[in-house]
Amino acid sequence: GENVEQHPSTLSVQEGDSAVIKCTYSDSASNYFPWYKQELGKRPQLIIDIRSNVGEKKDQRIAVTLNKTAKHFSLHITETQPEDSAVYFCAASPNSGNTPLVFGKGTRLSVIA
Amino acid sequence: DAGITQSPRHKVTETGTPVTLRCHQTENHRYMYWYRQDPGHGLRLIHYSYGVKDTDKGEVSDGYSVSRSKTEDFLLTLESATSSQTSVYFCAISVFLDGYGYTFGSGTRLTVV
Repeated sequence: GENVEQHPSTLSVQEGDSAVIKCTYSDSASNYFPWYKQELGKRPQLIIDIRSNVGEKKDQRIAVTLNKTAKHFSLHITETQPEDSAVYFCAASPNSGNTPLVFGKGTRLSVIA
Repeated sequence: DAGITQSPRHKVTETGTPVTLRCHQTENHRYMYWYRQDPGHGLRLIHYSYGVKDTDKGEVSDGYSVSRSKTEDFLLTLESATSSQTSVYFCAISVFLDGYGYTFGSGTRLTVV
């Protein structure tokens, strides 16, 4: 089955710096790649997603890039702010979308003011 | 709200007792899921449903059963709770199986003593 690896597991950055979180997947038929943000004690919430026919997508300070050949995708957060501190999960939709999402193990991002 | 509620929010139970967690949605979505979240493991799929009375196993289904007798309700039962099932349980709903439009409930924190 699909395996999603996420790195790093923890990340600390200074406020205003950029943060990058990387994920790799194993199923070449995966075609949908969402990112979720989970604040302490809260539910995971979708922040951005990308489909396999797109190489990059941006939404204000966050962007996601996808390299299908290498089977990896990344989340980029620019001009980080303390409210960006959270756990971030990547996910992949294997089997051309015919089976549920598989999640990475998460990255705890700390933005230091 | 997100149109999905979980109950109870917190529960402490004794080893060997059966426990049922409830997920209720008002979105009329076809797909519903149960995940468990543990430190270092991310979100792991327990069971999911693709319609009334239609369910399938996920990655960590041993010791769990589910039922969906109505579109809006998806029940997760721990047949005989063990300490290894101490976790935070999240229900999720989606329009499509590939995960597009995933919405999570607020979670149930279950402690088995």
